[in-house]
Amino acid sequence: GAGVSQTPSNKVTEKGKYVELRCDPISGHTALYWYRQSLGQGPEFLIYFQGTGAADDSGLPNDRFFAVRPEGSVSTLKIQRTERGDSAVYLCASSLGGYRGNEQFFGPGTRLTVL
Amino acid sequence: ELKVEQNPLFLSMQEGKNYTIYCNYSTTSDRLYWYRQDPGKSLESLFVLLSNGAVKQEGRLMASLDTKARLSTLHITAAVHDLSATYFCAVDFLIQGAQKLVFGQGTRLTINP
Repeated sequence: GAGVSQTPSNKVTEKGKYVELRCDPISGHTALYWYRQSLGQGPEFLIYFQGTGAADDSGLPNDRFFAVRPEGSVSTLKIQRTERGDSAVYLCASSLGGYRGNEQFFGPGTRLTVL
Repeated sequence: ELKVEQNPLFLSMQEGKNYTIYCNYSTTSDRLYWYRQDPGKSLESLFVLLSNGAVKQEGRLMASLDTKARLSTLHITAAVHDLSATYFCAVDFLIQGAQKLVFGQGTRLTINP
């Protein structure tokens, strides 16, 4: 079946602009996660959705970052007033539920470059 | 603080040799995952370790988990070039009733002919 998909695959923007990154999880997966991976580092947790609600947003670095999942499926990560330090690969993952032991399946990522 | 540390961070080895990557973590957990990442690609799941003493093998890779020592190992037997990639361990912590994955820094493995 289809895996996690993310669009766009690459996004180049200028400092100060607004961007939206989209994630389409595996059908039937109620849990959805966003991670950020900087060059040469492991993924870092940003936010976790269980259904439509953000169950844990403790990883969002500041209030320029926001994510939604209005119908409990597709999620959008929104970044306002982008900064060069936001440049990274943004990964989305989904799982059957936000319970320990449920394997997370990762999408291909969106590479964001802020000039 | 939740910390996951891998070592080594960089590993260059010759085909046919054996080696082990180590993953240490700071707080009790009995769930751990190993992922492979090729350059410019996403994470591919290799192993899911769900209990103390768990051992799983796939081809030339074998992973184990010792929850008392807070240590997991990924052992490579008779390495081949195709195994060149970055390997991440991720520890599954229970935080306020929900799963939280914390990743190590990754081990960049290069296997030379």
